[in-house]
Amino acid sequence: EAQVTQNPRYLITVTGKKLTVTCSQNMNHEYMSWYRQDPGLGLRQIYYSMNVEVTDKGDVPEGYKVSRKEKRNFPLILESPSPNQTSLYFCASRDWDSGGVSTDTQYFGPGTRLTVL
Amino acid sequence: KQEVTQIPAALSVPEGENLVLNCSFTDSAIYNLQWFRQDPGKGLTSLLLIQSSQREQTSGRLNASLDKSSGRSTLYIAASQPGDSATYLCAAPSGSARQLTFGSGTQLTVLP
Repeated sequence: EAQVTQNPRYLITVTGKKLTVTCSQNMNHEYMSWYRQDPGLGLRQIYYSMNVEVTDKGDVPEGYKVSRKEKRNFPLILESPSPNQTSLYFCASRDWDSGGVSTDTQYFGPGTRLTVL
Repeated sequence: KQEVTQIPAALSVPEGENLVLNCSFTDSAIYNLQWFRQDPGKGLTSLLLIQSSQREQTSGRLNASLDKSSGRSTLYIAASQPGDSATYLCAAPSGSARQLTFGSGTQLTVLP
């Protein structure tokens, strides 16, 4: 079954305590991304990765880091979380390549609800 | 920069009604547009993807249309059911297609 998994699903932490949210996909997709969703602001892309060792900033990258050492995993790292990073985070895997032969279907993880106190 | 707008933000209808959700985008140089469904506290599920070469795409009671020239897409839901209650989002690629821009969604409630 095509799947994107995220862990943890819920996280409460304090300002400044480094955390990592893991993301894994089983579809061998090259493209993965992270979004945050906030009321009234919709889904905004944080970072995306076109392939292993290839990452790029999305619309709201400040305060976040990512890495792509393996095709299936794309962790999101908050080095020093702050309260304005309290949000619902989604990892997504996209069947897309620049050659245009893919379906361009996106698969989303179940979300991680992060609260930074 | 692509901007995507969805109107209305919320919609409540009685069961059985046909309804239309609207999505507009500013950069018409897109090669596809997608519609997603999001249930409360859950991730997004892809519903329909319309290629720029198509004008419509259908899946069951759902029909999505795309008019690039006017920068609009619509999602038509026939014979709505309470199980259709969810937030519906559309997404359009940026000019480079490397990023997707999402609308804020339309929260649909179908009353039994």
